[in-house]
Amino acid sequence: GESVGLHLPTLSVQEGDNSIINCAYSNSASDYFIWYKQESGKGPQFIIDIRSNMDKRQGQRVTVLLNKTVKHLSLQIAATQPGDSAVYFCAETRSGTYKYIFGTGTRLKVLA
Amino acid sequence: DTAVSQTPKYLVTQMGNDKSIKCEQNLGHDTMYWYKQDSKKFLKIMFSYNNKELIINETVPNRFSPKSPDKAHLNLHINSLELGDSAVYFCASSPPGNYGYTFGSGTRLTVV
Repeated sequence: GESVGLHLPTLSVQEGDNSIINCAYSNSASDYFIWYKQESGKGPQFIIDIRSNMDKRQGQRVTVLLNKTVKHLSLQIAATQPGDSAVYFCAETRSGTYKYIFGTGTRLKVLA
Repeated sequence: DTAVSQTPKYLVTQMGNDKSIKCEQNLGHDTMYWYKQDSKKFLKIMFSYNNKELIINETVPNRFSPKSPDKAHLNLHINSLELGDSAVYFCASSPPGNYGYTFGSGTRLTVV
């Protein structure tokens, strides 16, 4: 399940199940979005991106959905594996601003 | 070869000291950044340089001074360190068009 509070939100999923991580972004003018994965002790790593003229993009085992009406982004991970355990961030930017705004992050825990 | 490298990885220092963190990228990117990640994993931009020119300074205290001697390097000097400066500092770079960062592995700064 998912818990939200003062601590980093955590999503616990069974290995092999699908995961859905949600993100509400802040700026309706943002036109490019990225999901990053951060493993313990490492820097964030690019997973998948989507431009505002799209509403869905698929990668290998990952899908990003964009709903501009409600400023919502989601990351779907198929057949979640132990190696998917990490903190996931969404990030938004507007072209030419040289700045990404990161969401608060969600910790994904994969249960064996 | 490491794409974005930061040194040192860990830095423990006393309040009031001055310290520097170095960052180098070998990706040929034009734009480099410093981000601060707090204990709740929140990532916030501090500075951005494009071709050695400062383009973003996000209300960071004057004690923090970035320096970019060339396009491949962006160093961060911090004067009079305070307890609240304790965090993980990430350097990142991006190609023209600002589509996607490559992050370094971070510098964990602990001020005691």
